[in-house]
Order: sequence, then structure tokens, then C-alpha cells
Amino acid sequence: IAGITQAPTSQILAAGRRMTLRCTQDMRHNAMYWYRQDLGLGLRLIHYSNTAGTTGKGEVPDGYSVSRANTDDFPLTLASAVPSQTSVYFCASSDGGAGELFFGEGSRLTVL
Amino acid sequence: GQNIDQPTEMTATEGAIVQINCTYQTSGFNGLFWYQQHAGEAPTFLSYNVLDGLEEKGRFSSFLSRSKGYSYLLLKELQMKDSASYLCAVMDSNYQLIWGAGTKLIIKP
Repeated sequence: IAGITQAPTSQILAAGRRMTLRCTQDMRHNAMYWYRQDLGLGLRLIHYSNTAGTTGKGEVPDGYSVSRANTDDFPLTLASAVPSQTSVYFCASSDGGAGELFFGEGSRLTVL
Repeated sequence: GQNIDQPTEMTATEGAIVQINCTYQTSGFNGLFWYQQHAGEAPTFLSYNVLDGLEEKGRFSSFLSRSKGYSYLLLKELQMKDSASYLCAVMDSNYQLIWGAGTKLIIKP
């Protein structure tokens, strides 16, 4: 089934540990995004990539890094997790421009 | 700054009609989106408006007034499965999406 796959779906992590959230899409979309969603707040953009080989910072990039080695994969890394990074993380993709976003099922991360 | 406002929560009755409002102030405008998000699930696309007026899609309609910075999502013949959060998002001049916090819609029998 075409779409976006995220892994893991849920993770509990000790503060200070390194963590990579994986995201893979098979729709050949150029643009990919990482959002975090916290209760009472709108989706906030962490990082994005308009095409393979390029990345950009979103609204809340601090403490996160991304890479886009190919069209399909867009991993998000927390170098040293902190409790404020406890959130639900959504990966999304689009054709770019004003195209609709397609979301993965989300990764629920708890940092203790 | 950029801002999207929508009500936090609304309650409606099965079979009725509900209107969810969204007002926005953004740097430029390249369209307004509505997404539906069931609890514990990913957002899914509902509608896109870039020109003023009403876009109808089955039981759901979305309206836009660019001069007023205003949109609404109209849901008719409400069903229990419509219980979800409805997210309003505006694409700014840089083609970045600015998201509202979402409106939680509760449907009662």
C-alpha cells in the first residue's frame, strides 16, 4: 500500500540518549516534512526537505537534525534527548508547492 | 507574527449541521487547507481553498474570504464518525504551512 511509513510507532527514551525516527515514502514525492504535535498547539514544523539532497529548518529545529540522501527516506535525529522533546512526531510528504500533505501514522516519543 | 485561530472545542448532534470557523493572519497567502484528525491517528486532507467562495465535497464544504482572513468548514448530516479534530492551515508566501491548534468536534447521539 502506497504511503508513508514511520518507525518506531512508540518509544520511551532516557534523557541524554540519541534517537533516530525513521520515515520512508513510496509516492516519489519531492517534499518531505517533520512535525511535532503537542496538546493545545498546532502542528509545528521541525525540518523540511524540498528535494533529495537539500534540507531546511522549520519553526522549532533546535535539538533535531535531518538528512535526505534519497527521495524516499527522511530520518529525524535527536542527538541528546530532553524531556521537552516528549511529543508525537509526524512525517509528511507532498508533491511540493501548494500540494496536500500525506502523513505517516506518527511516532509517540516519551523522554524521561 | 503569523496566527491561525479556531475554536478549541465544539459539540453537535448527530444528523445536524456544524460550522467550524478559522481566522488567519499570515505573511502572504497561497491557499487554506482543512484536515481531519481522529484521536491517535494522522491528519488526513479534507479541502483546499485558494479563491474566494464555497467548495463543496459531499457532506463537507469549505468557504474562504481572503479579504476577511476567514474560512469555515461546514459539515452536514453529522455522523458519529465525524467526531475528530479539524485542523485549519494556511500556506504563506514561502509555501510553508501555518497550522491552527485544531477544533475538537464532539458528536452526540
